[in-house]
Amino acid sequence: QKEVEQNSGPLSVPEGAIASLNCTYSDRGSQSFFWYRQYSGKSPELIMSIYSNGDKEDGRFTAQLNKASQYVSLLIRDSQPSDSATYLCAPLGAAGNKLTFGGGTRVLVKP
Amino acid sequence: EAEVAQSPRYKITEKSQAVAFWCDPISGHATLYWYRQILGQGPELLVQFQDESVVDDSQLPKDRFSAERLKGVDSTLKIQPAELGDSAMYLCASSSRQGEDEQYFGPGTRLTVT
Repeated sequence: QKEVEQNSGPLSVPEGAIASLNCTYSDRGSQSFFWYRQYSGKSPELIMSIYSNGDKEDGRFTAQLNKASQYVSLLIRDSQPSDSATYLCAPLGAAGNKLTFGGGTRVLVKP
Repeated sequence: EAEVAQSPRYKITEKSQAVAFWCDPISGHATLYWYRQILGQGPELLVQFQDESVVDDSQLPKDRFSAERLKGVDSTLKIQPAELGDSAMYLCASSSRQGEDEQYFGPGTRLTVT
């Protein structure tokens, strides 16, 4: 079992729709979680961080965390073609000093 | 806006040659990370520095890779000798302190070994 699992996609969504990305992790001690966006050929860009169970909203992005289920998700509302990228989920390890990245979910937003 | 700087952006080298990458973290960031990202995969941590000290190098192939951060500011990652399997994106990231703080990535160095 991988430490961090994401559906590789591609997740194809029409422009204006909601994209829903899921991530499960194996380290029960993880307390901090991060979502990065990565355009093809570019480096990862931090878009969301979440530390507590529940929802956290930032603009068109909403992160959801359920530590009991070891599950974190990212919703992208009103998806735009510019949201087409790979989204990486990264929990911080229980020791608090190491990010473990999932393989990423590729999102394609079609006009 | 402060950014992590890396150079070179692209590097092509022949196998068995030596190659080096440089990283300058965001000013004031004490923690520096080197990651390797193979195409289609997520980044994998190679080495982590807190100031000038190595905190974690458990995934660094020490027979050919070395990293240093002598003055606790900028850092160099070296590969000698390079192998075909080293072709990847090498990413540097920094955070203000170890732990919960967000990590910010530089633009990366795309290495191709021929």
